[in-house]
Amino acid sequence: QVQLVESGGGVVQPGGSLRVSCAASGFTFSSYGMHWVRQAPGKGLEWVALIRYDGNNKYYADSVKGRFTISRDNSKNTLYLQMNSLRAEDTAVYYCAKESSGYYLFESWGQGTLVTVSS
Amino acid sequence: QSALTQPASVSGSPGQSITISCTGTSSDVGGYNYVSWYQQHPGKAPKLMIYDVSKRPSGVSNRFSGSKSGNTASLTISGLQAEDEADYYCSSYTSSYTRVFGGGTKLTVL
Repeated sequence: QVQLVESGGGVVQPGGSLRVSCAASGFTFSSYGMHWVRQAPGKGLEWVALIRYDGNNKYYADSVKGRFTISRDNSKNTLYLQMNSLRAEDTAVYYCAKESSGYYLFESWGQGTLVTVSS
Repeated sequence: QSALTQPASVSGSPGQSITISCTGTSSDVGGYNYVSWYQQHPGKAPKLMIYDVSKRPSGVSNRFSGSKSGNTASLTISGLQAEDEADYYCSSYTSSYTRVFGGGTKLTVL
C-alpha cells in the first residue's frame, strides 16, 4: 500500500534554512505528481507546492514563492522541500501528499513533520 | 490565492444531516469540477472523502455526498454519527494550476 514518510523537521532560527524529505513506497513514484501541504498549530491546511511526475513543472503558493524549492529524486523515490529565509509564520506540520493520475486531488498523505521557526 | 470560504463550525445531532459550504471564485471552484473534501481528526493526517465535486473514493460511506452551484461547493453528511466529528476542508484546482484550501469547518456531533 502507499506509504509516505516525512522527515527532517526541527527547530530553526528565523532567516535560517531547512530541508524536509518525504520517502515514498508502495507505488510507482516516478508516475505521480506530488505536493507539500502545511498546517500551522491549531490552524487550517495550506497548499504549499506541487511538482509534476517528471520534475519539469513546479508550482508554489505566493506565501513561499522565491523562498521554498520543491524537488524530487525519482531514483530514490524521495520528495524534498528546501526552505530558505524561514519566518515564524512558516512554523507548521509539513505533509507530503500524492496526486492521483488524471485527477486533481490529494489521494494519500504522510503523517507530517513539524518545522518550528523560533529564536 | 485567497483561501476558500467555509463556516468555522457546524453541529448536528446523531442521525441528522448537515451541510458545509465552500465558496470560491470563477478562477477556482466555479471554473472547474475539481473540488475535493477532506476529513481530519485531531492529530491525524487528512483523509480524502469526496473528489471531482461529487465522487466518493472506494471505502468512503455513502452518507457523504458533494455538490456544486456556481462558485459554491457543498458537502452533505447524512445520518450523522459520533465518528463524523472532525474538521473538514474543501480544496479546489485553480486557473494558475495551483491548489487552494478552505479555512476548515469543525463539525460537532451533539
